[in-house]
Amino acid sequence: IAGITQAPTSQILAAGRRMTLRCTQDMRHNAMYWYRQDLGLGLRLIHYSNTAGTTGKGEVPDGYSVSRANTDDFPLTLASAVPSQTSVYFCASSPAGIAGGSATGELFFGEGSRLTVL
Amino acid sequence: KNQVEQSPQSLIILEGKNCTLQCNYTVSPFSNLRWYKQDTGRGPVSLTIMTFSENTKSNGRYTATLDADTKQSSLHITASQLSDSASYICVVRGGSNYKLTFGKGTLLTVNP
Repeated sequence: IAGITQAPTSQILAAGRRMTLRCTQDMRHNAMYWYRQDLGLGLRLIHYSNTAGTTGKGEVPDGYSVSRANTDDFPLTLASAVPSQTSVYFCASSPAGIAGGSATGELFFGEGSRLTVL
Repeated sequence: KNQVEQSPQSLIILEGKNCTLQCNYTVSPFSNLRWYKQDTGRGPVSLTIMTFSENTKSNGRYTATLDADTKQSSLHITASQLSDSASYICVVRGGSNYKLTFGKGTLLTVNP
């Protein structure tokens, strides 16, 4: 059972470069999310999508964009990376949107993508 | 403002000992509270969920408690094992739009 697959596992990137983190799920979950995790700050929501074709901004969306062309894929793009975007990025999914029909709000996380921007 | 505070930030215990992790929240209205375990280099995985009507729930050596009146939850680990070394994250669902509010986690290290 794959669940959530993220790629790359880790990446070192020069500032100013464009980078796309990939996320694919095989659970047919409607909702998907991108979080960043930084020491001392915990997990913070970047963007989310409650269903294919829709996206929304989370707590820290600046500098990031997402798209949701289909149910399974939810890529996160950094148009012009900056050192403050050095972080570990987690993609997650849930059967339904947290604010809506998902009664329990359980998130299923990928293994993370460690990004270093120099 | 909805907040989730966890304590301690970090904890070191010897294998076989018990420990208790705390989670206090201000999220209102409250929907549920979930504890996640995050192994080093991995994504978080749900351990247990507590709803308003539940006071205690066990999952093997893990026992979670909830006091909805004082807005506190605890996660008790019995007879700790080396594999319990991880970060434990408390997440509360609630607020005006039933969003998730994350605690910053407690880093538990179990030494032999």
